[in-house]
Amino acid sequence: QVQLQESGPGLVKPSETLSLTCTVSGGSISRYYWSWIRQPAGKGLEWIGRIYTSGSTNYNPSLKSRVTMSVDTSKNQFSLKLNSVTAADTAVYYCARGPSPGGSYTFDPWGQGTLVTVSS
Amino acid sequence: EIVLTQSPGTLSLSPGERATLSCRASQSVSSSYLAWFQQKPGQAPRLLIYGASSRATGIPDRFSGSGSGTDFTLTISRLEPEDFAVYYCQHYGSSPFTFGPGTKVDIK
Repeated sequence: QVQLQESGPGLVKPSETLSLTCTVSGGSISRYYWSWIRQPAGKGLEWIGRIYTSGSTNYNPSLKSRVTMSVDTSKNQFSLKLNSVTAADTAVYYCARGPSPGGSYTFDPWGQGTLVTVSS
Repeated sequence: EIVLTQSPGTLSLSPGERATLSCRASQSVSSSYLAWFQQKPGQAPRLLIYGASSRATGIPDRFSGSGSGTDFTLTISRLEPEDFAVYYCQHYGSSPFTFGPGTKVDIK
């Protein structure tokens, strides 16, 4: 079955750019939508943005000015960049498949998550 | 943006009891694009219910979802020890996709 795995630095300095990659295995990344979601310690879930394999994106308005997502179908990967980070961006970052515009599927499956800490 | 509220914040129950969790949306959720997730400590959320009432693959039938419009319910008919966790509702009808704040089901 499809599995997702996040990778990237676990520590980022304030004002710098957080960069994460999600590798999809067990299936093709093509013709699906893919999202990033984050969760600060002890808190709830926040959707960051979504990308289709054509490269089209939707971002959460609360983060839109700082977020860039990209996809590399040849590597079965998609990526997240979040610039100008502060301590408030410290969280576990998850990648997940979905949701589709027609609502045929939502966030499933998920990666295991990766903790990113913003600190000098 | 659709804001989801969940109640109660915490539900303290014993194994074998019935759990009823509520999710209310600030505006109607189109075509019942409402999902429920279970999250255990240190784990990623797991999809339980989509389309308000359809169980995801491999989810036991003690989990059921209902509702439409702005009011939705997740019911766990008889709590098993592994069901004690945090449950989130989420809408996926339109961007931005939002989650409720969660209901923690803990052991009484």
